[in-house]
Order: sequence, then C-alpha cells, then structure tokens
Amino acid sequence: DTEVTQTPKHLVMGMTNKKSLKCEQHMGHRAMYWYKQKAKKPPELMFVYSYEKLSINESVPSRFSPECPNSSLLNLHLHALQPEDSALYLCASSQEGSGRAYNEQFFGPGTRLTVL
Amino acid sequence: GENVEQHPSTLSVQEGDSAVIKCTYSDSASNYFPWYKQELGKRPQLIIDIRSNVGEKKDQRIAVTLNKTAKHFSLHITETQPEDSAVYFCAASKGSSNTGKLIFGQGTTLQVKP
Repeated sequence: DTEVTQTPKHLVMGMTNKKSLKCEQHMGHRAMYWYKQKAKKPPELMFVYSYEKLSINESVPSRFSPECPNSSLLNLHLHALQPEDSALYLCASSQEGSGRAYNEQFFGPGTRLTVL
Repeated sequence: GENVEQHPSTLSVQEGDSAVIKCTYSDSASNYFPWYKQELGKRPQLIIDIRSNVGEKKDQRIAVTLNKTAKHFSLHITETQPEDSAVYFCAASKGSSNTGKLIFGQGTTLQVKP
C-alpha cells in the first residue's frame, strides 16, 4: 500500500459540533503531518508527529486537537470551530530516522471541511 | 524567518511551449527542494525534487535546477500539454533529523492552451 488515505472526504459541521478527521498510511512512515489549505493557497502546516510524539504545533488554536494512536493512524479532533476554519485538511506522511536526509512527503486526498 | 518566494503567480502558455517557474529561498541551510503539482480538487503530488548536493535533475519533460549560491531553484517543463495545467508549488526544507517541515512558495497557476 503506497497511499495515504483520509476520511471523510467531505464534512459539514455546525459551530457547536464535535467531529474527527482520520488519516491512515501503511508505508511504514514514522512522521505524519496535518495541513490546512485554503483555495489557491499553499498547504499551511498545523502539526507534525514524529514516532507518534507531537514534535511541532504551529500555534494552532486548541479547538483543533491532534492524536496519533499508533504509527499508521493520525486523527484530528474538531470542536467549536469557526466558519473561517472551513478549508481542505490534508494529511501527509514521510520516512523518518535520525541522521537520515529528509524524505519526501506523501499527501492524502484531503477532507473538505465546511463550518456553518 | 524562513521564506520561499515563487514567481510568476500565473503562467499561460501554448501547448508545446516550455514553462519555467522560479523560486527563491531565504534559509541557506535548506537542503531539499521538492515541487508539487496540484490539480483542482486533488491532493498535491510530488513531481520532482532535488537535494543540495545536485545542480540539476531531469525526469522526462520536467527538470529542476538549483543555484545554491544565489538560493534559487527553478522548474522547467518542456513540450507542455493541456494536462500539465494545474497549480505548482515549490518548497524548501532543512531536512533536519527530527522533522521535515516544508516551507512552501505561494504557488503558480499554469494554464496550457490547446
């Protein structure tokens, strides 16, 4: 399996709802990422997990809560979002290892989130 | 802070012509430079990348060049086809030992007219 998968593809939620986005990869990658992407803009890094530990939080509001239950899974829990949080949420993964040169990131298809 | 500037923001060419997109990075410690293609409604897909120990890399109709001294890198697409129409993002990374943080350019919308 050489793909990153994401569910759901589309999500519409109200500002009081709680929902979760899911990302999965079976390539043995040990680094996983969440990005937010607005239309015609580059992906904007939110979180990085390395060996299932959170290594980067790009000052993301606490209404976004990441979780990495195991090396293949990455979740993003959403609560009390705002309409401006509507965007495409992309997951990515890459190989990892101390002393290893940086390796390419593989992106999932994304979840199109609409907050009403 | 780290920054990648990308030009042009839009590019329109006739089918069969060449297209060139240029990026400049600010952090001299950057050592990995990928290019992503993103079609409308799809995921970004890596099309080519280059590391700082190489000056040029080619894969069929696409090539990337890197000038470390000037901190420039460029994407060259020859014999463009309508299916090359997409948004292209360059990125730079320091390839550190613990994270692969990519700094993206703002993107170039390429339109190839048949």
